[in-house]
Amino acid sequence: GDSVTQMEGPVTLSEEAFLTINCTYTATGYPSLFWYVQYPGEGLQLLLKATKADDKGSNKGFEATYRKETTSFHLEKGSVQVSDSAVYFCALRTNAGKSTFGDGTTLTVKP
Amino acid sequence: EAQVTQNPRYLITVTGKKLTVTCSQNMNHEYMSWYRQDPGLGLRQIYYSMNVEVTDKGDVPEGYKVSRKEKRNFPLILESPSPNQTSLYFCASSLSSGGPDTQYFGPGTRLTVL
Repeated sequence: GDSVTQMEGPVTLSEEAFLTINCTYTATGYPSLFWYVQYPGEGLQLLLKATKADDKGSNKGFEATYRKETTSFHLEKGSVQVSDSAVYFCALRTNAGKSTFGDGTTLTVKP
Repeated sequence: EAQVTQNPRYLITVTGKKLTVTCSQNMNHEYMSWYRQDPGLGLRQIYYSMNVEVTDKGDVPEGYKVSRKEKRNFPLILESPSPNQTSLYFCASSLSSGGPDTQYFGPGTRLTVL
């Protein structure tokens, strides 16, 4: 079946540091890829997405590129802020409506 | 305001006592889904529905039931809850079942089964 593997956390960074959270996937067909963010006590919300190979999703300084050849969708941000502290989930979704999520990576940014 | 609502937000119950968690969306979305979130396991899909009267099993459907009689509502039913169903549950909806469509999540229901 489909699967998503995320870099294990937790990740602790200082403010303005560079962030990378690795995500790789296995899937049949051509899924869409997503990064969701979850702040404490809240539901997940979309951070960015990419729907086909070589697409780059971006939002709020975060970026991720759909790499079919390496089956990856790594999340990056050039300069993190304390307000970026949250749990980040990589996910894939097929056209059949099935979704598969990674285990989540907890990011803590210290001032 | 476009949103997905869930009730209750918190629930403590005992083994075997039937319960229902409601989910409602006001965005006229065709697709709805239930997930459970457990530490170290991410989100796992329980059931999903591509339209009214159409439901299908996700990865962890055992012990759960759903129904989709109206487009806006997608209740999750636990006929005989057990302690291993203690979890954080999320309902989500999207415009369609298409891969590129973003899912919108409710705030979550924290269930404890004693």
